Amino acid sequence: GAVVSQHPSRVICKSGTSVKIECRSLDFQATTMFWYRQFPKQSLMLMATSNEGSKATYEQGVEKDKFLINHASLTLSTLTVTSAHPEDSSFYICSARRASGVQETQYFGPGTRLLVL
Amino acid sequence: GENVEQHPSTLSVQEGDSAVIKCTYSDSASNYFPWYKQELGKGPQLIIDIRSNVGEKKDQRIAVTLNKTAKHFSLHITETQPEDSAVYFCAASLGFQKLVFGTGTRLLVSP
Repeated sequence: GAVVSQHPSRVICKSGTSVKIECRSLDFQATTMFWYRQFPKQSLMLMATSNEGSKATYEQGVEKDKFLINHASLTLSTLTVTSAHPEDSSFYICSARRASGVQETQYFGPGTRLLVL
Repeated sequence: GENVEQHPSTLSVQEGDSAVIKCTYSDSASNYFPWYKQELGKGPQLIIDIRSNVGEKKDQRIAVTLNKTAKHFSLHITETQPEDSAVYFCAASLGFQKLVFGTGTRLLVSP
């Protein structure tokens, strides 16, 4: 199977600071990566789609200046939560799409739990 | 756009029983339907998927069926075990478009 890693798995920060989360596809190249946010007992909420070498596409209502996404290589995408506030506390999950012929399979990372004090 | 509904929201079964989770989708053009299992505090794990050119796919105790006419697909877990307890999400997409997820089903398998 395909492996996607995330780092860190858990982070606690003070309000006003910035936090960077890394997402890596370990054994395949991912032209597209996705960033999701998940609140307790809820489904996955897509924040943005990240394509290697181009600007991310953000979903409606997601502030692109607050959630900076960089997809610098075929195996690495980063999400930076800028000037974090308590309401940004959440479970952030990335996924990487693996191409296989005409269809693509999406694999998820283990998630990063962010707590902003 | 695509909309995916998932039922039930919670499902409790006894160990050894079967569990069935159902999803319906709105876009008849959707052609890819994965199922993910999410354990507490972890990311979703792909457990099985089906494409629109087949009606059923099986992998050991897990099977997925697809009815394109009715626009619904189901996850079947046989001989359930306590370690099957988790939240299960269905999803649908068309080609390279983004996945649209269902609202999730919390499955509890009691010993």
